[in-house]
Amino acid sequence: EAGVTQFPSHSVIEKGQTVTLRCDPISGHDNLYWYRRVMGKEIKFLLHFVKESKQDESGMPNNRFLAERTGGTYSTLKVQPAELEDSGVYFCASSQRTVQETQYFGPGTRLLVL
Amino acid sequence: DQQVKQNSPSLSVQEGRISILNCDYTNSMFDYFLWYKKYPAEGPTFLISISSIKDKNEDGRFTVFLNKSAKHLSLHIVPSQPGDSAVYFCAATFTGGGNKLTFGTGTQLKVEL
Repeated sequence: EAGVTQFPSHSVIEKGQTVTLRCDPISGHDNLYWYRRVMGKEIKFLLHFVKESKQDESGMPNNRFLAERTGGTYSTLKVQPAELEDSGVYFCASSQRTVQETQYFGPGTRLLVL
Repeated sequence: DQQVKQNSPSLSVQEGRISILNCDYTNSMFDYFLWYKKYPAEGPTFLISISSIKDKNEDGRFTVFLNKSAKHLSLHIVPSQPGDSAVYFCAATFTGGGNKLTFGTGTQLKVEL
């Protein structure tokens, strides 16, 4: 069974540009999460989808970040326009249920905004 | 306000000895705790978890202990192996919270030969 996949693995963009990150969860996992790790600090929650619906987006930094999960399969996270402080590693995770359930993480997308 | 804390940024242990990684939390609502291991340039990999109804969970060389009154958990690795060298993250969640994880800052474990 394939794990969580993320694309691209790395992205280097200039301030003001737009970047779109993609996550493909484990097949059959209704729950999809986005997290971010900045400057070697803790991994912080961004948002949670249940199928195609946003369940919790309390961790989204601001309105420059837009996440979608059309059809309840893969998800995209767009940053527009990107700022220097958006640099970090963006992780996607998925799980079957939402109660005491293990989340499986993808390899992450390393974003560098110059 | 950091709700999950790993106060030791690094730990060095000799091969074959026990590694003990510690984690403290402040939110009394947390009722499920997980440990993840992370190698450079990879995503976190699930290691072991424990529900708040238990005080110990064991899986092979890995044991997690939970002390609810102290809001403290620890991960024991016995015996430690060089392949265990990685960053270990403690994470917590609570029922009704959508399973979103709150992570600590991680502890870099180095197992030396």
